[in-house]
Amino acid sequence: GENVEQHPSTLSVQEGDSAVIKCTYSDSASNYFPWYKQELGKRPQLIIDIRSNVGEKKDQRIAVTLNKTAKHFSLHITETQPEDSAVYFCAAKRYGGATNKLIFGTGTLLAVQP
Amino acid sequence: GAVVSQHPSWVICKSGTSVKIECRSLDFQATTMFWYRQFPKQSLMLMATSNEGSKATYEQGVEKDKFLINHASLTLSTLTVTSAHPEDSSFYICSARDLGGTQETQYFGPGTRLLVL
Repeated sequence: GENVEQHPSTLSVQEGDSAVIKCTYSDSASNYFPWYKQELGKRPQLIIDIRSNVGEKKDQRIAVTLNKTAKHFSLHITETQPEDSAVYFCAAKRYGGATNKLIFGTGTLLAVQP
Repeated sequence: GAVVSQHPSWVICKSGTSVKIECRSLDFQATTMFWYRQFPKQSLMLMATSNEGSKATYEQGVEKDKFLINHASLTLSTLTVTSAHPEDSSFYICSARDLGGTQETQYFGPGTRLLVL
């Protein structure tokens, strides 16, 4: 079945440094890749997403890159701040397809040290 | 972004009782809603896909008679945990798809923390 692997499971960086989280998906038909941020005890919040017709997307300090050939995509956070500390989940799905469900990665706990 | 609400936010109940959780899309219509459960420090596990006006689609290993889903309107889906037991204690999160415009984004509710004693 479909599977999304996410690495690392935990990531600790110093404030101001960059953080990179990587995901690999198994279903080559996947064409929509969102990233969610979940703070402790709260709902997952969509922070950025990318579709398969684009290789990179950027929104201020956050960027996502997609390599369709290798079937992996990454989240890049620059100039990290303590408030970036949270669990980040990647996900993949077939946009508009019959299988309309998001497959989530296992999550990455990001800790930004002040 | 679109708003999804969930009620109750937390519930404590005795073993054997049934618990109903509501998920509402507040400013958009959602023909499809999803129910997840999340254990501490783990990912979101999809339990079922709720479709307005039709039967829910359950993921493998999820008992449909245990987790009853009703999607009676375009803005409301309910999950009922029947005869709850301690192992059902978890964080249950719903999400709804906003098909408005050209986007197909899933928005999550705030979650319901269930503790079964």
